[in-house]
Amino acid sequence: AQSVSQHNHHVILSEAASLELGCNYSYGGTVNLFWYVQYPGQHLQLLLKYFSGDPLVKGIKGFEAEFIKSKFSFNLRKPSVQWSDTAEYFCAVTTDDKIIFGKGTRLHILP
Amino acid sequence: DSGVTQTPKHLITATGQRVTLRCSPRSGDLSVYWYQQSLDQGLQFLIQYYNGEERAKGNILERFSAQQFPDLHSELNLSSLELGDSALYFCASSVSSGFGADYEQYFGPGTRLTVT
Repeated sequence: AQSVSQHNHHVILSEAASLELGCNYSYGGTVNLFWYVQYPGQHLQLLLKYFSGDPLVKGIKGFEAEFIKSKFSFNLRKPSVQWSDTAEYFCAVTTDDKIIFGKGTRLHILP
Repeated sequence: DSGVTQTPKHLITATGQRVTLRCSPRSGDLSVYWYQQSLDQGLQFLIQYYNGEERAKGNILERFSAQQFPDLHSELNLSSLELGDSALYFCASSVSSGFGADYEQYFGPGTRLTVT
């Protein structure tokens, strides 16, 4: 069955630390890949997406993600996190007829 | 503010009851998607409507149904409610008809359903 795995359920970092959140998917066909963020008390927002082309995708707020097809991975990175990045992050994959989300990673940034 | 509205914000009801959740998409968006977010299952896609027609189906239970009206707002009907149906129900809207290259969805604030 198709699935999306986010390895880290809860991450705690200090401000200015570098961030990498893992995302792996299992699906043999063509996929589109997304990262969403949910700030406390707010709705889900799109951080970035990959459809085709350059596998290194830049999103909003300094986030980027790299699609590595051979590893079925789409890890999210940010070189220096801020307290305002405290949120829950969801990786998602779309196929032709559905979207599958990972279970999410709660990121807590210490000031 | 994403432009997607959902009512009500909170709903508390008893087991066995039926409820209706409402979603109004962003102006110009023809697709509405419904999702359930719970602690056990995470965020799950339930169903998509595009311009009044069902377009894609995810993990939606038979006790649940949805429809999209001519003015493009959508309703999710949940019946014979069980304790396990307690969750946050999101809708999202998109101008896209599916999950292809033009797919980008905007989420509403959600309806928190508590079944007691």
